[in-house]
Amino acid sequence: SQKIEQNSEALNIQEGKTATLTCNYTNYSPAYLQWYRQDPGRGPVFLLLIRENEKEKRKERLKVTFDTTLKQSLFHITASQPADSATYLCATSVGGNTPLVFGKGTRLSVIA
Amino acid sequence: DTAVSQTPKYLVTQMGNDKSIKCEQNLGHDTMYWYKQDSKKFLKIMFSYNNKELIINETVPNRFSPKSPDKAHLNLHINSLELGDSAVYFCASSLNPGQGSIRYTFGSGTRLTVV
Repeated sequence: SQKIEQNSEALNIQEGKTATLTCNYTNYSPAYLQWYRQDPGRGPVFLLLIRENEKEKRKERLKVTFDTTLKQSLFHITASQPADSATYLCATSVGGNTPLVFGKGTRLSVIA
Repeated sequence: DTAVSQTPKYLVTQMGNDKSIKCEQNLGHDTMYWYKQDSKKFLKIMFSYNNKELIINETVPNRFSPKSPDKAHLNLHINSLELGDSAVYFCASSLNPGQGSIRYTFGSGTRLTVV
């Protein structure tokens, strides 16, 4: 079965720097990867989706890449701010109607 | 307007009790889900359901059962609660994958504590 791995449990970064979070998948290349943000006491909120045939996707200060050779997606937050502090989750599906499988998340702390 | 709403937000109950958590979505989505987030914050799928198909994660005990009175609601019923059931339960919804956008919208969660 497909596994999603986010190897960094926590990441601390200085305000203004670029945060880079990693998501690796095992087995076959998924049709897409999604990134969500989760704040304490709240449900995950969708941020970005990148498809297999897209190398890069951007939304404001966020950028996601998809490397099928490395079986990896990178999630970047440029000019990071303390308000970006949250847990970021990577997710995908094996396809069809099967539900999303999530990684364990990376807790990002942006220090002023 | 809350897109996906769950009630209650907090639930404290004794071992052996039966409880239900309600979920409603007003997005017109076709598919709804229940996820469990344990103390290590790992989000794990329990069920997905649309009016045609129920997909059950095989690791979910049969004490857990989803009940859907209509397309906008998917309630979670739990029998004979155990200490290990303590977790945060999230409801989510989406369009069917074949309809294009496959992003999920989550509720704010129900924190269940079994004592």
